Amino acid sequence: DAKTTQPNSMESNEEEPVHLPCNHSTISGTDYIHWYRQLPSQGPEYVIHGLTSNVNNRMASLAIAEDRKSSTLILHRATLRDAAVYYCILAGAQKLVFGQGTRLTINP
Amino acid sequence: NAGVTQTPKFQVLKTGQSMTLQCAQDMNHNSMYWYRQDPGMGLRLIYYSASEGTTDKGEVPNGYNVSRLNKREFSLRLESAAPSQTSVYFCASRGGSIRDSLYSNQPQHFGDGTRLSIL
Repeated sequence: DAKTTQPNSMESNEEEPVHLPCNHSTISGTDYIHWYRQLPSQGPEYVIHGLTSNVNNRMASLAIAEDRKSSTLILHRATLRDAAVYYCILAGAQKLVFGQGTRLTINP
Repeated sequence: NAGVTQTPKFQVLKTGQSMTLQCAQDMNHNSMYWYRQDPGMGLRLIYYSASEGTTDKGEVPNGYNVSRLNKREFSLRLESAAPSQTSVYFCASRGGSIRDSLYSNQPQHFGDGTRLSIL
């Protein structure tokens, strides 16, 4: 399974944008890029996913590099409720393979 | 909006005891999954079921069995619990048709987890 690389932790301030990077240099042509987040003591929550083009939804935006070897999750205005572990995952076949994710801390 | 429901939420077992974790989804999804999450780690796939009547091993299947009872329910059984199986267990389901299974363009929906301690 293709792997992703994310920073272990990041910190940002409330109401500021947050850019969470992910490297996936071994991505295959059919792998979708998924982002999930996990709040303390909860199950993972779907955030966004994409294949080649940038994607927007009510939670976030996903910017995908032209060569698809990296992507960035963008939270436009972080709130305290966005503090969580964010997982960047390459979804191939049936399975999601989780890495260790990025622990995002939001300062008030 | 129930989504994915897991029971029980907490359980303490003694080494060697058996137990079945239950999972049910009400979204008419074809695919269901069982993961475990150890402290400070990401989720690891134990077993999955692409459709009713089929199951496949994931990354860490040893010590577990699963049953896809019907389209709604997917259970995980520990036949002889070991301390190494102390973990938080998450069930998930995914929509899309069976033909979509080769390209995971549908998100997975997770339950709230079962916290299992084995003494």
